[in-house]
Parts: sequence; structure tokens; C-alpha cells
Amino acid sequence: KAGVTQTPRYLIKTRGQQVTLSCSPISGHRSVSWYQQTPGQGLQFLFEYFSETQRNKGNFPGRFSGRQFSNSRSEMNVSTLELGDSALYLCASSLGSGGFSSNEQFFGPGTRLTVL
Amino acid sequence: AQSVTQPDIHITVSEGASLELRCNYSYGATPYLFWYVQSPGQGLQLLLKYFSGDTLVQGIKGFEAEFKRSQSSFNLRKPSVHWSDAAEYFCAVALPGSTGFQKLVFGTGTRLLVSP
Repeated sequence: KAGVTQTPRYLIKTRGQQVTLSCSPISGHRSVSWYQQTPGQGLQFLFEYFSETQRNKGNFPGRFSGRQFSNSRSEMNVSTLELGDSALYLCASSLGSGGFSSNEQFFGPGTRLTVL
Repeated sequence: AQSVTQPDIHITVSEGASLELRCNYSYGATPYLFWYVQSPGQGLQLLLKYFSGDTLVQGIKGFEAEFKRSQSSFNLRKPSVHWSDAAEYFCAVALPGSTGFQKLVFGTGTRLLVSP
């Protein structure tokens, strides 16, 4: 079974631009969550989608948004990029239902975003 | 607020020596606890997890961790370290979100260096 895939792996943007990152979950997984990893703040939860609906959200500004498609693939968008948005963005997928204790999250390799 | 503390930013261990990485958490109830490993340029791989029951849990790659409720700790151990274990290790607590979803709160990570 293929793992979680994220595209692109690397991205360079300039301040003020917007960016879209993509995540394809493991087949059969309906929950996709996003995390931001930076040297200063560490790993922080952005949001989670299940069946095309955002179910959970972290403490990030509205510039960070996402969506999920009917095939469970998810995209994350960051508008009006700032230097501080430079980070590794990790996507994780899980079944999303069936019990808390069984819902292990499987992580993709991440997208490295650099904002100049 | 819920938090996870990994007091050691860097640890250097000789190959073949034993390893213990510390993790303490602050959470009202007994949380679900995880250890993840991240190699350079990679996503997160789950080493082991604790939900309930036996407080000594076995994971992949020869790792184990012990949950100690009285100390709010979940330390990771390995009896004999291999050079390939050099990586960054993250302790995490899972907080209940919507049904079936675990919002992960991560510690700041411990970078393990293995000397020959």
C-alpha cells in the first residue's frame, strides 16, 4: 500500500505570494491533517479534514486554509506569504473514524517551503 | 495548557551504548503517548505508542518506552544504539478531537548523534 505523498517536495516563493501544497493520503484513509514544523516553534497542528469538512483547527491565522476533495486528497493554501511561513509542512493521514485508540497518523515526507 | 517537554536538545551516544531519551507531559488525564523519529529530509515515523495497559511498550527498531504516571513521564530507551539511529526524536501527546482524530502535541525534539 502506497504511503502518504506530498507535492511538491520543495518550493521557493517570495513574500506576498500565495502557495498551494498537495497531500494524497493512504488509500482508505479519510482524515488528513496538516502540521507546520519550524526550528523556532517546532511541530504545530494546523487543521484536519474528514470527508471534505474541516473538523479540527489549530491556532493559525486565516491566511492558512485548506480543503479536501471527495477522493480524500487535500490541499493547503497559504496566502500573502511572510518570511516566517518558511517551514516544513507535514501532512498526515488516518482512518478518521472507528475509535480514538486505533487512529494512528501516518506522515508524508513533507513540503519544504522557503519564503524569500 | 497541555504540553510536552523534552529536556535534552542534543544527546551524543557511542555506538553500542544504551540510550534513554526523556519526555514529560502536562495533561489532566492519562493521555495517549507516542514517540516518533525523523531522519533528515524525511517525515515522521512512529516508533511506539501507549494507550493503556502494560506500562512498558515495545516498538520498532528495538526501541521501548515506559509510562510512569507518578512522574508524568514516557521515556524512550534502547539497549544498544546503532549508527543508523542518528535522527531527531519527538515525543507527542494525542488530544481528543472529533471522533477518531488525534490532535498531536509534540515536544521540541531531541537530536541524537551517534559517535563511532
